[in-house]
Amino acid sequence: QKEVEQDPGPLSVPEGAIVSLNCTYSNSAFQYFMWYRQYSRKGPELLMYTYSSGNKEDGRFTAQVDKSSKYISLFIRDSQPSDSATYLCAMMYSNAGGTSYGKLTFGQGTILTVHP
Amino acid sequence: DGGITQSPKYLFRKEGQNVTLSCEQNLNHDAMYWYRQDPGQGLRLIYYSQIVNDFQKGDIAEGYSVSREKKESFPLTVTSAQKNPTAFYLCASSPHLGYGYGYTFGSGTRLTVV
Repeated sequence: QKEVEQDPGPLSVPEGAIVSLNCTYSNSAFQYFMWYRQYSRKGPELLMYTYSSGNKEDGRFTAQVDKSSKYISLFIRDSQPSDSATYLCAMMYSNAGGTSYGKLTFGQGTILTVHP
Repeated sequence: DGGITQSPKYLFRKEGQNVTLSCEQNLNHDAMYWYRQDPGQGLRLIYYSQIVNDFQKGDIAEGYSVSREKKESFPLTVTSAQKNPTAFYLCASSPHLGYGYGYTFGSGTRLTVV
């Protein structure tokens, strides 16, 4: 079983829809969580990061962490065709003091298409 | 602007040939990484380096080699021992190993065996 699981999709939604992208993880030592967006034939770009539990909002994007369920989500409101991309979750371990260590572990990526 | 430059954007390799992918960063980051991306498999770590003259194998290092002679540069050589090299290769960097707020990625090199 992989440490991080992400539904690869593909996911196709109409413009204006609310999109929910999700990852589950197995190791409770993961405490730093990131979402990357990758356009076709480009490198991933960091979209959002969160530490520990809770929600973080940035414009149309909301990142949510539920540590009790080992589940993270990225919500996109009022989705646009320009949001069409592959979305990758990534996470890193933290020690008891809250200091991150190790390397990023990535999910498989979800391919999202928003059609007009 | 600071960032990571990967070259070339597209590369074609004949069977039995070694090829080298370039990665340069001007972010003053200590740590650098090479990933391979195949459809449906996410990013798989090939090699990483946390400081000049030091590098470590990742999850899929067989058939690849790297060097880190300068802080700014982390080239990846795909050797003839790599039996299935056709993939999208991504270079990344971070201020240090264990930096928990994400890596910066280059634009990638697409390698195709012909």
